[in-house]
Amino acid sequence: TQLLEQSPQFLSIQEGENLTVYCNSSSVFSSLQWYRQEPGEGPVLLVTVVTGGEVKKLKRLTFQFGDARKDSSLHITAAQPGDTGLYLCAGASNTGKLIFGQGTTLQVKP
Amino acid sequence: GAGVSQSPRYKVAKRGQDVALRCDPISGHVSLFWYQQALGQGPEFLTYFQNEAQLDKSGLPSDRFFAERPEGSVSTLKIQRTQQEDSAVYLCASSLSGGYYNSPLHFGNGTRLTVT
Repeated sequence: TQLLEQSPQFLSIQEGENLTVYCNSSSVFSSLQWYRQEPGEGPVLLVTVVTGGEVKKLKRLTFQFGDARKDSSLHITAAQPGDTGLYLCAGASNTGKLIFGQGTTLQVKP
Repeated sequence: GAGVSQSPRYKVAKRGQDVALRCDPISGHVSLFWYQQALGQGPEFLTYFQNEAQLDKSGLPSDRFFAERPEGSVSTLKIQRTQQEDSAVYLCASSLSGGYYNSPLHFGNGTRLTVT
């Protein structure tokens, strides 16, 4: 069974701080996606990483895919209250399903 | 429509009742997925359709759960004889094609089911 483990599960920081969220697996994934979900809404895709070692930037968010395509990280620089939400990583499994990690709840206090 | 639409947004059912949850995907999207999400957790896969064909239903937790997409557009997730453990948010997502990384998933806002 392919599993994705995210850490930390919960993060509460002050505005302006930096943070990193990790997504790890013992399995290889053909691609990994990161989503952000706000209360009462569905997840919204932030980025897809496909190539081992790939780094993608989205404003203050930096996403990295591990060389072995088993792990990924999301780094946020100078977090803002608007970054608050549930961050989910998801991997395309070898059976075609999209498997989600358990999520990281981020709270950024003003 | 502009996005994936799910109805109802909230559903309260008494234990033992049957419920039907509706999903209207983005027009023209081939693939449709149902996920179940507990509070503060990641979504868990239930079932997948490509057009009207249900290609994967391995995530359905029991035979009380049934999904259909008869004309390859609107889908309905039906839960018979609801139990308290069925309480969750049920998310529907659609994508233009069947590939994950070249065709992103677009999620609806979900139906929150509470079984009392």
